[in-house]
Amino acid sequence: DTAVSQTPKYLVTQMGNDKSIKCEQNLGHDTMYWYKQDSKKFLKIMFSYNNKELIINETVPNRFSPKSPDKAHLNLHINSLELGDSAVYFCASSPQGRQPQHFGDGTRLSIL
Amino acid sequence: TQLLEQSPQFLSIQEGENLTVYCNSSSVFSSLQWYRQEPGEGPVLLVTVVTGGEVKKLKRLTFQFGDARKDSSLHITAAQPGDTGLYLCAALFSGGSNYKLTFGKGTLLTVNP
Repeated sequence: DTAVSQTPKYLVTQMGNDKSIKCEQNLGHDTMYWYKQDSKKFLKIMFSYNNKELIINETVPNRFSPKSPDKAHLNLHINSLELGDSAVYFCASSPQGRQPQHFGDGTRLSIL
Repeated sequence: TQLLEQSPQFLSIQEGENLTVYCNSSSVFSSLQWYRQEPGEGPVLLVTVVTGGEVKKLKRLTFQFGDARKDSSLHITAAQPGDTGLYLCAALFSGGSNYKLTFGKGTLLTVNP
């Protein structure tokens, strides 16, 4: 009964490819997020969605396109992958904004 | 850009020692959260502090929120190897978005047996 689940856990691909990461939460939360954690473990917000609506886009390149088909899902599609996209991507959710967040276990993206 | 300074970045201590991790900013927080992250997993919430001067305890962990709500600390008493992990503070800033949590750069704690 995983609360926030991301797939895949590992993603190894070549530069220039397009890939997607899926996220689902079964907590009934209204708000979902995508974060990027770099090699130095710095965790930075990318996007926040509330009730399927985009609230925060933290100056992320438009190669990254999030999609929220419903409140329980927030997927991330990345076009034309670059070396600098290598990182761990975390999905999270919270009941509303402002409240503590529940994180998935991350997707480790490696660009060759 | 509102920055959150966290220190120290690395901490390696012996079992039984005490330690303190600090988190501060020049801006006021509306709330401050502490998370712990283990390898291969996502961060897990430890505590949220909201009121200036607030102190919360979680077994051997004590969390303080500064009176001015610009700083917070995490103190661990008699550290154990099981406390090893990455500790992250995260803030919602006063006047900022409720949907944008800003993280500190983390403190990687190693407790040696």
